[in-house]
Amino acid sequence: NAGVTQTPKFRVLKTGQSMTLLCAQDMNHEYMYWYRQDPGMGLRLIHYSVGEGTTAKGEVPDGYNVSRLKKQNFLLGLESAAPSQTSVYFCASTFLGGGLDTQYFGPGTRLTVL
Amino acid sequence: QQQVKQSPQSLIVQKGGISIINCAYENTAFDYFPWYQQFPGKGPALLIAIRPDVSEKKEGRFTISFNKSAKQFSLHIMDSQPGDSATYFCAASSDTGNQFYFGTGTSLTVIP
Repeated sequence: NAGVTQTPKFRVLKTGQSMTLLCAQDMNHEYMYWYRQDPGMGLRLIHYSVGEGTTAKGEVPDGYNVSRLKKQNFLLGLESAAPSQTSVYFCASTFLGGGLDTQYFGPGTRLTVL
Repeated sequence: QQQVKQSPQSLIVQKGGISIINCAYENTAFDYFPWYQQFPGKGPALLIAIRPDVSEKKEGRFTISFNKSAKQFSLHIMDSQPGDSATYFCAASSDTGNQFYFGTGTSLTVIP
């Protein structure tokens, strides 16, 4: 049982390049989340999904897109990376929504945009 | 607008001392208040959580105190140890909602 895994662990992009971050969970969780973590700002929700085939915007969705084609995977895309997207990205999942369940986090992806 | 406000931003405590981190919220619909612990290079992990039907929850050296009327809750770490050095996040959610709202984090350093 690997829990929540994220690929890649590190990435450096040039401004304007695109990339996709992959989150995978093997706990059969319905809900999945993408956060970004910046110094002094805590964790901010980018997008989330309440089940396969669904996505919704969080607090800071601009510049990102997501897809949940399979229940176990949640992809975060950057179509045209900007330096402001330099951050550490965390994926999380829960079986139930809101406060009904514990969020399990992945190890994070450190992204630098030059 | 920050839904959950956390203080202090950083905290230095001597080994054996008490670490106290405070959080405040405005949304009265919140009914689940977890605390997460994060070590460098790792993802956050649930430490302890409380619901507003109780004023205190204790798990080992970690205690959450909850004041519903003041809309505040705090984490107390008794007998703080160097291994407790980490970043701590408070959060809030509601059973009917889909999102968790996090505080800005507190970097705790416990000096041997």
